[in-house]
Amino acid sequence: DTAVSQTPKYLVTQMGNDKSIKCEQNLGHDTMYWYKQDSKKFLKIMFSYNNKELIINETVPNRFSPKSPDKAHLNLHINSLELGDSAVYFCASSRKVGIQYFGAGTRLSVL
Amino acid sequence: GENVEQHPSTLSVQEGDSAVIKCTYSDSASNYFPWYKQELGKGPQLIIDIRSNVGEKKDQRIAVTLNKTAKHFSLHITETQPEDSAVYFCAASPFGNEKLTFGTGTRLTIIP
Repeated sequence: DTAVSQTPKYLVTQMGNDKSIKCEQNLGHDTMYWYKQDSKKFLKIMFSYNNKELIINETVPNRFSPKSPDKAHLNLHINSLELGDSAVYFCASSRKVGIQYFGAGTRLSVL
Repeated sequence: GENVEQHPSTLSVQEGDSAVIKCTYSDSASNYFPWYKQELGKGPQLIIDIRSNVGEKKDQRIAVTLNKTAKHFSLHITETQPEDSAVYFCAASPFGNEKLTFGTGTRLTIIP
């Protein structure tokens, strides 16, 4: 069983569209994250939720809105997509303080 | 906030030789330092980590050293194998803080 799973794996869309990426973890962890990896492989945290509560919110445009319906899920909704949003988005999870386990990533291409 | 620098950005090593990747950090409050390996098309996976109360940690062919005074830590891979080829990331965070700050990555290529 995949510990941290993201869907979709690939997402190709037009500028201005709205899209969502879903993440689920079956590790029983309390904390989930969203990271963005740009074309130069730079990995930067965007958001973190602990027990459905937002605890880290980096300088991210408010077009990005995370939603955590329960501890095992953290979804990312992006409004009005721009070319600069093209990247690989990774979901991760951990215990409150501990090793972060990453999903396989969602490659978003905005045309 | 924390700033983590990582060198080199690319590294080619003959199979069987050793590889060393170095990182420096800026925040003296950081005391947790993981290393992640990212293979093509996959997410980063933890390979080893170290906390600031320890100067060195080994796991088979992989070791990490930490110098808190100088604020730098290094990854050492001995007897490199083709499957070690990947991008490696260092990271740092204050203990009890979930926020990891990653280095810029090192693309390691093992030459058969």
